[in-house]
Amino acid sequence: EAQVTQNPRYLITVTGKKLTVTCSQNMNHEYMSWYRQDPGLGLRQIYYSMNVEVTDKGDVPEGYKVSRKEKRNFPLILESPSPNQTSLYFCASSLNTGISYNEQFFGPGTRLTVL
Amino acid sequence: RKEVEQDPGPFNVPEGATVAFNCTYSNSASQSFFWYRQDCRKEPKLLMSVYSSGNEDGRFTAQLNRASQYISLLIRDSKLSDSATYLCVVNQAGTALIFGKGTTLSVSS
Repeated sequence: EAQVTQNPRYLITVTGKKLTVTCSQNMNHEYMSWYRQDPGLGLRQIYYSMNVEVTDKGDVPEGYKVSRKEKRNFPLILESPSPNQTSLYFCASSLNTGISYNEQFFGPGTRLTVL
Repeated sequence: RKEVEQDPGPFNVPEGATVAFNCTYSNSASQSFFWYRQDCRKEPKLLMSVYSSGNEDGRFTAQLNRASQYISLLIRDSKLSDSATYLCVVNQAGTALIFGKGTTLSVSS
């Protein structure tokens, strides 16, 4: 089944404790992206990757890191989480942004709480 | 000016009603347009793409007006299962998707 998976789905942690949220897709997509979704603010892009070893900042990159060593994986790293990073996080992938009508597939989401 | 703007609603309609959502975008270089649907606490999923000539998929009709930078979604004969948040999404080729904040629809019996 074609899908985007994220782990963990739910996480409660404390300020300053490094964490990684994994994202994996099995559709051989070039483009991958991380979003956070907060009430009243909608989906905001954190980082994206156009292909292996190519990453770039989105609208709200502060406090996050990413890597794209393999095409299928795009982990999101919070080196020192803070309470303002409490949010619902979505990973997404699509074939290639050079194609106009290009559906983006989302993972099921990770609900993160930082105390 | 926000890049993609939608009326947040909520739109509360009875079953069988026709409801329309509107969306405006600010970047005239935008090339592709979509409506995504998001159920509560779940991931967004593509509902339909929006083409220049307008397109229909069952009870759903999408329209695009490039001159006015305006996109619409019409839902006919609303069902309880249509209750969700509808996200207007715009893409400039080679860059990220830009999401509106969503319009919430609640269909009641």
